[in-house]
Amino acid sequence: EVQLVESGGGLVRPGGSLKLSCAGSGFTFSGSAIHWVRQASGKGLEWIGRIRSKPNNHATSYAESLKGRFSISRDDSRNTAYLQMNSLKIEDTAVYYCGRNVTDWGQGTLVTVSS
Amino acid sequence: EIMVTQSPDSLAVSLGERATINCKSSQTVLYSSNNKSCLAWYQMKPGQPPKVLIYWASTRHSGVPDRFSGSESGTDFTLTISSLQAEDVAVYYCQQYYNTPQTFGQGTKVEIK
Repeated sequence: EVQLVESGGGLVRPGGSLKLSCAGSGFTFSGSAIHWVRQASGKGLEWIGRIRSKPNNHATSYAESLKGRFSISRDDSRNTAYLQMNSLKIEDTAVYYCGRNVTDWGQGTLVTVSS
Repeated sequence: EIMVTQSPDSLAVSLGERATINCKSSQTVLYSSNNKSCLAWYQMKPGQPPKVLIYWASTRHSGVPDRFSGSESGTDFTLTISSLQAEDVAVYYCQQYYNTPQTFGQGTKVEIK
């Protein structure tokens, strides 16, 4: 069974940083691209970015509005992908999901940016 | 960036009646390798992760009831719920995954009339 589990969410001050993790199991993690999306309360889904597999040079791509503040990395030896978020703003408050293909998504982790 | 425009913003349908949601992409999302469109439909309920219903514009995901169907005509895509059930109350999103940045429609809230 494919499983994706996000962790690392929590409360952070504006301007702060947070690193989310996405642990995968039940599939060949190293061969899969991993995506991150988010949903703020009462808002729609927003694609954040993705990291491709090693044969594709771990290429990353990001939403233009988040480029420079957010970065995605992975450690295939740990079957884990990461979302590094810097210079956080109040409007980054959301539930963050990682996913594989379009069919598999984690349960999400809540990030709250507040003073 | 491919824009994806979804309509309507909300709709109310009687139980057992048909619900139709539309999505239009600003350019083709047809993947030449398999001649399929890179368009997915998701259902979202409060406190739950995205649940994919349809991908490749018309392929129903495993376990999804057959009252959900997807269709396409060029850059216009449709999600149809043939007979609305109470458990279908949710917000529905389309997404193009043809290229990055991937983009979602604005969402359609489906309620019971």
